[in-house]
Amino acid sequence: GAGVSQSPRYKVTKRGQDVALRCDPISGHVSLYWYRQALGQGPEFLTYFNYEAQQDKSGLPNDRFSAERPEGSISTLTIQRTEQRDSAMYRCASSYDRGGLAGQETQYFGPGTRLLVL
Amino acid sequence: GQSLEQPSEVTAVEGAIVQINCTYQTSGFYGLSWYQQHDGGAPTFLSYNALDGLEETGRFSSFLSRSDSYGYLLLQELQMKDSASYFCAVRDGYKIIFGKGTRLHILP
Repeated sequence: GAGVSQSPRYKVTKRGQDVALRCDPISGHVSLYWYRQALGQGPEFLTYFNYEAQQDKSGLPNDRFSAERPEGSISTLTIQRTEQRDSAMYRCASSYDRGGLAGQETQYFGPGTRLLVL
Repeated sequence: GQSLEQPSEVTAVEGAIVQINCTYQTSGFYGLSWYQQHDGGAPTFLSYNALDGLEETGRFSSFLSRSDSYGYLLLQELQMKDSASYFCAVRDGYKIIFGKGTRLHILP
């Protein structure tokens, strides 16, 4: 079946502009995560959704970053007033299991959105 | 604070066995995962340990010792396609914390 998709795959924007990054998880997956990944580093947790409920947003760097998942499926990560330091790969991942449950846990990552802020 | 430590690079020979270690320090712990990421690709799930002991999946095995806050990934019969970065990750509540990754180089 279809995996996790993200759009756009590449986004170039000017400093101060707002950007919206979209994530379409695997159908039926309960959990959705957003990460930021710098080159040569591991994914950095940003936020987590259980269906439409944002259960953890402790990783969002500041109040310019926000995320939503209004119908429990597609999610949007919005960065307002972008800055050059926001340039990175933004990835989302989905999982069938509800976060925090013990047992088999597989996250499926999307291809990412490469954001470049000029 | 929360941190995961793993070697930055490991080199091994094709056909050999290699072990990638991970030690963690987190305020909470629900389980240890391992992911593989090839250059230009997305991380892909390899294994998950919630309990102490060894989990085996084909050529890959993963071990966890919660008392030692330690785990490792064991790759056997190395193939050139195993050249990639490997990340350990710890679940702490809803948050998942990744290590910085271990770059595995495989020599023919």
